[in-house]
This record gives sequence, C-alpha cells and structure tokens, in this order.
Amino acid sequence: QKEVEQNSGPLSVPEGAIASLNCTYSDRGSQSFFWYRQYSGKSPELIMSIYSNGDKEDGRFTAQLNKASQYVSLLIRDSQPSDSATYLCAVNPNDYKLSFGAGTTVTVRA
Amino acid sequence: DTGVSQDPRHKITKRGQNVTFRCDPISEHNRLYWYRQTLGQGPEFLTYFQNEAQLEKSRLLSDRFSAERPKGSFSTLEIQRTEQGDSAMYLCASSYPGGGLAEAFFGQGTRLTVV
Repeated sequence: QKEVEQNSGPLSVPEGAIASLNCTYSDRGSQSFFWYRQYSGKSPELIMSIYSNGDKEDGRFTAQLNKASQYVSLLIRDSQPSDSATYLCAVNPNDYKLSFGAGTTVTVRA
Repeated sequence: DTGVSQDPRHKITKRGQNVTFRCDPISEHNRLYWYRQTLGQGPEFLTYFQNEAQLEKSRLLSDRFSAERPKGSFSTLEIQRTEQGDSAMYLCASSYPGGGLAEAFFGQGTRLTVV
C-alpha cells in the first residue's frame, strides 16, 4: 500500500467551476498535511497546510482533513486557467519526512 | 530573492561522470532536505539535515550518492559514476521547525540528464 494516494486524474473542469481533489494516507500517526501546486517543469509550491480536523480556507482554496478516515481533500473554487497544474498531496509520517502522492493533474477549460 | 536557491538548474552529463549540486536554504531555516522527482511521480525523500548533522538517509540513496552540509548553511549533493536511471529532478527544500511540523519550501530544482 502506498503511503499517500491521490485520485489519478487528469481532472478537467470548466472555468469558474469547483475542482475537487482527494488524498488518502496510510500512517494513522501523521499530524501534518500539505497541498503543493506544481506547474509543468517547475518545482512544487506550497499552497495549503492543515493540521486539525475540519476545513481550512485560504482565498479560493479550501483544505479538508478527516484523520479518522485518513483523508485530505482540496477544493478549488471559481477555477481559473492559471490553476491548471499538478496538485501534490504531502503527509508527514514523522518529524521530518514528507511523503508525497503522485499528484493529480488539473486542467481548467476556458 | 530570499527563497531556496539551487545550482545548476540543468545538468547534462555522460554516464559514468560525477556531478555535484548545490542548495542554499532560506537563511533562518535549520532543516534542509533533498528529494528526487521523476516524471509523473511525486518527490521522493532522499536525505535530511538538521543544521550540519545528516540525520536520515533513504534507502534510495545508494553508495554513489553523498550529501553534506558542512557549516549548517548550504548543502551539496554529489552523485558518483552517474547512471541513466539517475536522470531526474533533484529538489532541495528547507524548513524551520516550530509548533509541530513546519512547512517545507522547495527550490527551483536541478534537472539532471544522464546520456
């Protein structure tokens, strides 16, 4: 079983719609959860972090965490063409290491 | 620019040659990480420093790989006798631990191509 699994994608959404990305993780002791955005050929850019169960909103992004279900999600509201990228879910199974999923590629259609 | 800086951005080398990459972390960050990313995959953890001490190495890091952070500031990653399978993006990240697990910020990466 992979440490972090994401829905495989690609995910295509029309401009202005909501993009919903899902991630599950295997280590129940994980305490920190992150979403990174990665444009093609570029390095990952941190866009959200979440540590407690529930929702965390930052602009058009909302991260949701459910530790009991070992599930993290990211919602992108009012999707824009500039949101077209690969979104990486990352989980801390210990104090220092980030375990990444393979990413979900999102394409926003104008 | 106060972000994580990596050099070079691109490196093409012949199989069997040695290569060295440099990473300069964000100045107040005492933790530094190296990751490797291949096409279509998420970054994979290679190694981690807290200040100058290398505290963890992944089993992905074979004997041909060595990393240093001699003064707790910049770090180097050396690959000896490169193989085609070493072709990847090598990413450096840094963080400052506080209140649990801190956020890690990545540099622009070094793309290695072994021919």
